Amino acid sequence: RKEVEQDPGPFNVPEGATVAFNCTYSNSASQSFFWYRQDCRKEPKLLMSVYSSGNEDGRFTAQLNRASQYISLLIRDSKLSDSATYLCAVNIIGLGGKLIFGQGTELSVKP
Amino acid sequence: DTAVSQTPKYLVTQMGNDKSIKCEQNLGHDTMYWYKQDSKKFLKIMFSYNNKELIINETVPNRFSPKSPDKAHLNLHINSLELGDSAVYFCASSGIAGGPETQYFGPGTRLLVL
Repeated sequence: RKEVEQDPGPFNVPEGATVAFNCTYSNSASQSFFWYRQDCRKEPKLLMSVYSSGNEDGRFTAQLNRASQYISLLIRDSKLSDSATYLCAVNIIGLGGKLIFGQGTELSVKP
Repeated sequence: DTAVSQTPKYLVTQMGNDKSIKCEQNLGHDTMYWYKQDSKKFLKIMFSYNNKELIINETVPNRFSPKSPDKAHLNLHINSLELGDSAVYFCASSGIAGGPETQYFGPGTRLLVL
């Protein structure tokens, strides 16, 4: 089983749709959680850190469920510019800061 | 200003050659990383340095040797390049070793081995 798993998609949605991505992790020692966004042929960029209490940034909401070991990202009112690959990443205690990434979920928002 | 920069952006070379990729960050971070993203877009860590000291060394062939002359630079030298080394190599940096600090990525070096 992969340490961090995501649905690879692609997710094809119309503008204005709400889309949700899930990510599961296998190591219960996981300490910190992140969603990164990667545009085609570009570097990953941090979208949001994910906190236990959940957090929201505009149209984006991230949730963490430690008991079930998954994190989620909800995008409301999706825009064409949201089209990208969304990577979840997990930092595990004692591993020197390394991030373990999921394989990414591709999102395509259509007009 | 570019926070994390890498050179070259593209690298096309023949099997068996030796090549280097350079990375520099101007964020004042203590920790730098090398990641490899393969053709299936899977992003995996290779190495991590904190203040010029190696702290993470994943299962990477000995042909790959990182070098950190100072905490702002982390270079990657690859000997005897193989076809399977073709990938995008990303450098990243963060502020606190072992902590959950945000990692900032460089633009990537696209390596193609022929």
